Amino acid sequence: DTGVSQDPRHKITKRGQNVTFRCDPISEHNRLYWYRQTLGQGPEFLTYFQNEAQLEKSRLLSDRFSAERPKGSFSTLEIQRTEQGDSAMYLCASSPWAGGELFFGEGSRLTVL
Amino acid sequence: EDKVVQSPLSLVVHEGDTVTLNCSYEVTNFRSLLWYKQEKKAPTFLFMLTSSGIEKKSGRLSSILDKKELFSILNITATQTGDSAIYLCAVEAAEYGNKLVFGAGTILRVKS
Repeated sequence: DTGVSQDPRHKITKRGQNVTFRCDPISEHNRLYWYRQTLGQGPEFLTYFQNEAQLEKSRLLSDRFSAERPKGSFSTLEIQRTEQGDSAMYLCASSPWAGGELFFGEGSRLTVL
Repeated sequence: EDKVVQSPLSLVVHEGDTVTLNCSYEVTNFRSLLWYKQEKKAPTFLFMLTSSGIEKKSGRLSSILDKKELFSILNITATQTGDSAIYLCAVEAAEYGNKLVFGAGTILRVKS
């Protein structure tokens, strides 16, 4: 396993549609994080999992956003009823333990028209 | 609320110049400060700093942390065009279980 992989890399959708992103972390990394990054800003924390348990959600994560990690391996981030303000890069990261470096994927870029 | 502020926001230098990037932070229960480099893709890890006054070096890059004054600097000597990137500073607080809070980044452009 060479790193964190995300799919799709790019998604263009119309306002009001639902989108789902997938993240496959590095094998045996039990912590998985979702971040959102907009132009000119650093990544903003959305949520994180330890194994299959979702331990924290940012208040940025409205009720239109939901994330899962059903078997403690890959994770999905779904955005329902997309809005133009959801346009951003969605970054996934994983780590093997609490504390220290996060390993980032290359991101899924969402454009909402 | 935890805050990370980076300066300058952007910087243009010529190859061979030395640059210093700044990161100041306010966070309760500080655990560590990390620097990442981001080109047109995933942020890649540069350094993690936990103790004041101990310089970390990797080639032409070095970084140091001052926990009393709540800041860190990242130095790049003899810059090259390949150093052009966004440099992100992030802090980890102990109660967050390595959730990182990022600054907005410094955009560095190195001209040949």
